[in-house]
Amino acid sequence: DTAVSQTPKYLVTQMGNDKSIKCEQNLGHDTMYWYKQDSKKFLKIMFSYNNKELIINETVPNRFSPKSPDKAHLNLHINSLELGDSAVYFCASSQEAGNYGYTFGSGTRLTVV
Amino acid sequence: AQSVTQPDIHITVSEGASLELRCNYSYGATPYLFWYVQSPGQGLQLLLKYFSGDTLVQGIKGFEAEFKRSQSSFNLRKPSVHWSDAAEYFCAVGPRSGGGADGLTFGKGTHLIIQP
Repeated sequence: DTAVSQTPKYLVTQMGNDKSIKCEQNLGHDTMYWYKQDSKKFLKIMFSYNNKELIINETVPNRFSPKSPDKAHLNLHINSLELGDSAVYFCASSQEAGNYGYTFGSGTRLTVV
Repeated sequence: AQSVTQPDIHITVSEGASLELRCNYSYGATPYLFWYVQSPGQGLQLLLKYFSGDTLVQGIKGFEAEFKRSQSSFNLRKPSVHWSDAAEYFCAVGPRSGGGADGLTFGKGTHLIIQP
């Protein structure tokens, strides 16, 4: 079983559309995250959720909204997609809301055309 | 603000040769330290991590890293690389305290090329 799974793996969509990326972890971890990796492979944290509460919210556009129906899931919804949103989005999880090593999903490559 | 510097964007090493990837960090206190590897089209895999204790840590795939507090460095090493080690390597730091999930700060990565 995949520890952290993301769907879809690839997503191609037009500007202005709304899309969601799903993430599920079966590790029993307390905290889940979304990271964005740009075209230069730079990774930056977007959100994290601990016990269904948003812990941090970096300076990302409010078109991005994380949704966590339960501890094992953290979905990313994006409204009014823009060309600059094209990137690889990684979901991750960690234990005890801390830094004991993150487990990453395999990523979702989003292309906005 | 915390930052992680990986000064080498690309490194080319012959198969069988030794490898050292550099990582320096800027932080208010000694953070938790990590190295991750990303193969093409894949997610990030944890190679090793340093929290405390012995400053030389062993990881998976024959990698090790040494924490040097005086130099604010956490360099990754491998005595003999294999062609399968070709990938992107990321150094990352995270806070020891904060009471919440502050996330990791990543370096910009080092692209490792293995020559036959």
